[in-house]
Amino acid sequence: DQQVKQNSPSLSVQEGRISILNCDYTNSMFDYFLWYKKYPAEGPTFLISISSIKDKNEDGRFTVFLNKSAKHLSLHIVPSQPGDSAVYFCAASESNYQLIWGAGTKLIIKP
Amino acid sequence: DTAVSQTPKYLVTQMGNDKSIKCEQNLGHDTMYWYKQDSKKFLKIMFSYNNKELIINETVPNRFSPKSPDKAHLNLHINSLELGDSAVYFCASSQDPRSSYEQYFGPGTRLTVT
Repeated sequence: DQQVKQNSPSLSVQEGRISILNCDYTNSMFDYFLWYKKYPAEGPTFLISISSIKDKNEDGRFTVFLNKSAKHLSLHIVPSQPGDSAVYFCAASESNYQLIWGAGTKLIIKP
Repeated sequence: DTAVSQTPKYLVTQMGNDKSIKCEQNLGHDTMYWYKQDSKKFLKIMFSYNNKELIINETVPNRFSPKSPDKAHLNLHINSLELGDSAVYFCASSQDPRSSYEQYFGPGTRLTVT
């Protein structure tokens, strides 16, 4: 049973445009959400997070939006750069317990 | 300077063998993890140790045994390897066991069981 779903296995975006990566979850008790980024042959690296008490968190070019009623979060990257090409994982947790991970979305930034 | 390192990076072995994967972190973190990334690319927690004590032990076969000789090391020993054990195994560490704390991952070990 997938509690965290990233329904798009891949996404292709033109350099300079906005990249929007989506994540849906089923467990309404999740209260913390994180995005990790992964390059080939490397482990995931932390990107940005959001607590359920917020609906938006911004860090430079990266913004995460949380819609609790829809059990949906999204990661916006503006503007997209070639170095953003990677696999992006969404992860969620309940009461600071273990992370539940999505399957990832491969983002390809076209020059 | 590698923060979280794993050895080996690649491991090819036959069914029935016993193998170990080593993990070391030089970040001074108290918590370390083992994850398995399966064929569907999901990352699933296997074990978590905090200050050398086991705090998360998910439903994994008891052929998998973690060993933490000190806070900086968490090794994974696998007995009687099976085809289904083929996956990428990631070690990670964090300052605190709470999931809101950033986890730092090693580069992964690709295990192939033939």
